[in-house]
Amino acid sequence: GQSLEQPSEVTAVEGAIVQINCTYQTSGFYGLSWYQQHDGGAPTFLSYNALDGLEETGRFSSFLSRSDSYGYLLLQELQMKDSASYFCAVRANNNDMRFGAGTRLTVKP
Amino acid sequence: KAGVTQTPRYLIKTRGQQVTLSCSPISGHRSVSWYQQTPGQGLQFLFEYFSETQRNKGNFPGRFSGRQFSNSRSEMNVSTLELGDSALYLCASSSDGSPSGELFFGEGSRLTVL
Repeated sequence: GQSLEQPSEVTAVEGAIVQINCTYQTSGFYGLSWYQQHDGGAPTFLSYNALDGLEETGRFSSFLSRSDSYGYLLLQELQMKDSASYFCAVRANNNDMRFGAGTRLTVKP
Repeated sequence: KAGVTQTPRYLIKTRGQQVTLSCSPISGHRSVSWYQQTPGQGLQFLFEYFSETQRNKGNFPGRFSGRQFSNSRSEMNVSTLELGDSALYLCASSSDGSPSGELFFGEGSRLTVL
């Protein structure tokens, strides 16, 4: 089967750095993705890692360690608008995308 | 370029009824996936269609079904509705040619079962 574990909630202050971890267990693995969802909105794609290492896109970075079945999303210079739910997702060898339960990030002034 | 469109956005049904939800993917996208989202459960995978064929299916009972048409539009149907079916149903499309398999989501159809 497939399972993804991520913290349910994280709180941080504006300007800080926060890391959201994700561990996964899948039969086959193509890559780890991250999606952001604001309340009442649709999930939107943030990043994708297929190989080990760090991918940086502006204030957001994503890391993957295939040997540890582990990844994280790093958000820097937090802004109030970053308050949202963040989902890690795994694309397995049957080509479908499975999501974690999500981490609700609250950014405080 | 229009995004993923889901209809209806909101609907209320009673137990035992059935419901059909519709999804129009981004033009040119041939893959359509459906997810059920409930508080604390994340996005639960229902099924994926590609070129009118169901390619993958999640762990949901047979009351949940879907189909895809030749224009890539997709519908999902839930029969004999139960209270626990109340959820946001999200549709996502992808080009299937992208290495990341990036999904583009619609705003969802929020179903309330009374």
